[in-house]
Amino acid sequence: EAGVAQSPRYKIIEKRQSVAFWCNPISGHATLYWYQQILGQGPKLLIQFQNNGVVDDSQLPKDRFSAERLKGVDSTLKIQPAKLEDSAVYLCASTENRGAAGYTFGSGTRLTVV
Amino acid sequence: QQPVQSPQAVILREGEDAVINCSSSKALYSVHWYRQKHGEAPIFLMILLKGGEQKGHDKISASFNEKKQQSSLYLTASQLSYSGTYFCGTLDQTGANNLFFGTGTRLTVIP
Repeated sequence: EAGVAQSPRYKIIEKRQSVAFWCNPISGHATLYWYQQILGQGPKLLIQFQNNGVVDDSQLPKDRFSAERLKGVDSTLKIQPAKLEDSAVYLCASTENRGAAGYTFGSGTRLTVV
Repeated sequence: QQPVQSPQAVILREGEDAVINCSSSKALYSVHWYRQKHGEAPIFLMILLKGGEQKGHDKISASFNEKKQQSSLYLTASQLSYSGTYFCGTLDQTGANNLFFGTGTRLTVIP
């Protein structure tokens, strides 16, 4: 089966600019996650979707980050305006069964804010 | 809520064994284990559900002690391909289905 697709692979922007990331999960996976991974650390959850509804966005910095999952398939994560500390890898993951199955991660988008 | 892993880093020669530990302060529903190579996505290794089970495939296995909220990953007869950073991820019993990842253990296998 096809994996989790993410784009772009790399992005360099200046601080205060905006950026968007795209994710297409594995077909049939209802649950989709966005994680932020800072170099040398474990992934940190930003937001969880179940179909097209938000299950948990408690750790999403809502003053600058937003995410949507229209039609319960693809998802986009946006940062506006970006700060230097947003430099990280943004990982999208999906799973077929919340809590009882492993997550499949995409290759991620490496964001550098200068 | 982030689980704590130990050791932070370990270097092995091919054929040696290693144990990576993951500990949480929360009552756990399940524990996941992932391996991430530099510049790549984390790859799912296995999941352990509450009940104290032990799972494994090939020479990699894991145990889950529900009472102690701890899990251990066992790598036996290590191969060069085992090199990478290992993360445990924990789901607690509050009903929140959000995986919290540990601090990571960097494993390096040398010839």
